[in-house]
Parts: sequence; structure tokens; C-alpha cells
Amino acid sequence: GENVEQHPSTLSVQEGDSAVIKCTYSDSASNYFPWYKQELGKGPQLIIDIRSNVGEKKDQRIAVTLNKTAKHFSLHITETQPEDSAVYFCAAPSEGDDMRFGAGTRLTVKP
Amino acid sequence: KAGVTQTPRYLIKTRGQQVTLSCSPISGHRSVSWYQQTPGQGLQFLFEYFSETQRNKGNFPGRFSGRQFSNSRSEMNVSTLELGDSALYLCASSLSGLGWTGEQYFGPGTRLTVT
Repeated sequence: GENVEQHPSTLSVQEGDSAVIKCTYSDSASNYFPWYKQELGKGPQLIIDIRSNVGEKKDQRIAVTLNKTAKHFSLHITETQPEDSAVYFCAAPSEGDDMRFGAGTRLTVKP
Repeated sequence: KAGVTQTPRYLIKTRGQQVTLSCSPISGHRSVSWYQQTPGQGLQFLFEYFSETQRNKGNFPGRFSGRQFSNSRSEMNVSTLELGDSALYLCASSLSGLGWTGEQYFGPGTRLTVT
């Protein structure tokens, strides 16, 4: 089945800096790649997603890039703010249609 | 539009007991998926229901089961609880009727503690 690897596991940045989180997947047939943000005591919240027919998608300070040849996709957060501090998960569907999640990245934005 | 709701939010059970968790999806969503989240294993897919039918199943023992009602509300049941079943159980709903091309929206989860 699909393995989704996510790096780094922890990331600490200064407020205003950029943060980049990377994920790789193994199933060539995967066609949908969401990113979730999970704050303490809450369920994951979908923040952005990308489908395999595009290479990049942007929503204000958040962007996702997809390289289907290399089988990796990345989350980019610019001008980080303390409220961006959370755990971020990437995900990709596997054969059999179950969704596989990365192990998560704990992002800390220092004021 | 109301989000995904899960009840109860917290639950403490004893080994050997069984438990039923409930999930109400976003209005109009017909797909409900369940996940187990633990510090050691992360987010793991349990199963997905669409129009009252289990469409996909993860790699969990038969003690984990679920069902979906005609109003799309879903329940999951865990029988003969083990200490290792302690986890946050998350429900997610989606409009998608065809694979994973649609956005999933998660509920706040049910924190299950098995003692």
C-alpha cells in the first residue's frame, strides 16, 4: 500500500519567516494530495489540497507544490505567524482507496 | 453550515468492555470515514461508509466495526477493548462518491481511554 513520508518531524521558525514541509508518496496512481492543520484538542482541518493535474496551488500565505515525476509534494507557509503553530499532516490516497497520512510536522512559530 | 459532530467527546472504559462512538456528518455529505490517532502510530484509516455501505476498510481487527444510517450518521463500535485501543477516534465527512477526490472535513474526535 501507499507509504507517505513526511519531513521534518519538527520545525521551529521565527515569526515572519517561511516554513516548508515535504512529503513523498509511493503510489503513482495517487491523484489528490491534501494538507491538514491540527491544533491541540481539535480534529485536523483541511487547509489546502492539490490535484494531480496541476503543479502548484496558492491560497494567501499557503501554497502547495506537486512533482508527480518525483512523487513528492510540499507545503509552503510564508510570513509565518504565531497562530500558524500546530501539527501539519500531509495525506495521499492509496490503492484500495484508503487515505494514508504522513507522521506529522510540529511547527512552532516564535514571536 | 454545521460541521462534523462527534459524541461523546471523552470516554473512559475498562478492558474487555465495548464502546460505541457516534458521528454526524456535514449536511449533504454522504461519505463518512473513521480514523484512529495515537502518538505512536499517527493517523490510521479504519473504514469508510458511503450510502450505508462500507466501501473501504483499513488494517484493523474485526473488533472494530461500523455502520451508517440512512441519514448518513455513522457509528463505530469496538468490542473487547484492549489497553492499546486508547486513542483519539476521528470521523471525517465528504461529499465525494467516487474515491478520494473530494475534501474531507474532520470532527473534533472522541478521546477514548481504556483502563
